[in-house]
Amino acid sequence: EAQVTQNPRYLITVTGKKLTVTCSQNMNHEYMSWYRQDPGLGLRQIYYSMNVEVTDKGDVPEGYKVSRKEKRNFPLILESPSPNQTSLYFCASRTYSNQPQHFGDGTRLSIL
Amino acid sequence: RKEVEQDPGPFNVPEGATVAFNCTYSNSASQSFFWYRQDCRKEPKLLMSVYSSGNEDGRFTAQLNRASQYISLLIRDSKLSDSATYLCVVNVPTGTASKLTFGTGTRLQVTL
Repeated sequence: EAQVTQNPRYLITVTGKKLTVTCSQNMNHEYMSWYRQDPGLGLRQIYYSMNVEVTDKGDVPEGYKVSRKEKRNFPLILESPSPNQTSLYFCASRTYSNQPQHFGDGTRLSIL
Repeated sequence: RKEVEQDPGPFNVPEGATVAFNCTYSNSASQSFFWYRQDCRKEPKLLMSVYSSGNEDGRFTAQLNRASQYISLLIRDSKLSDSATYLCVVNVPTGTASKLTFGTGTRLQVTL
């Protein structure tokens, strides 16, 4: 089954404790993105990647890192999480730049 | 001006009604357009792509007006299960690449 898989689905943690949210897709897509969704602000892109070893900042990259060592994986890293990073996070992938995206189920992060 | 704008709603309509949403975009060079549906706390799911000539999928009709820079979604014979948030997505050129930009969504509540 074609899918984007994120883990964990839910995480409650404390300020400053490094965490990684994994994202994997099995559709051989070139493009992958991370978004955060907050009430009233909609989906905002954090980082995106156009291919292996090619990543770039989105609209709200501060406090996040990503890597794309393999085509299928695109982890999101919070080196020192802070409460303002409490949000619902989505990973997404697509094959070409003008194609629609497929989303993962989402990760709900709470930083205390 | 926001790149993609939608009326947040909510639109409260009775079952069986016809309802239409509009979405405006600011970049005239935008190439591709989509409507997504998002249920509460779930991932966005592609509802339909929007083609220049307009397209229909069952009770749903999408239209693109390039001159006025908006896309629309018409839902006929609304069902209770249509209750959701509808996200307008526009592929915005960014130099050598492009970015999918999301509206903040229009909430639809279909009632008995």
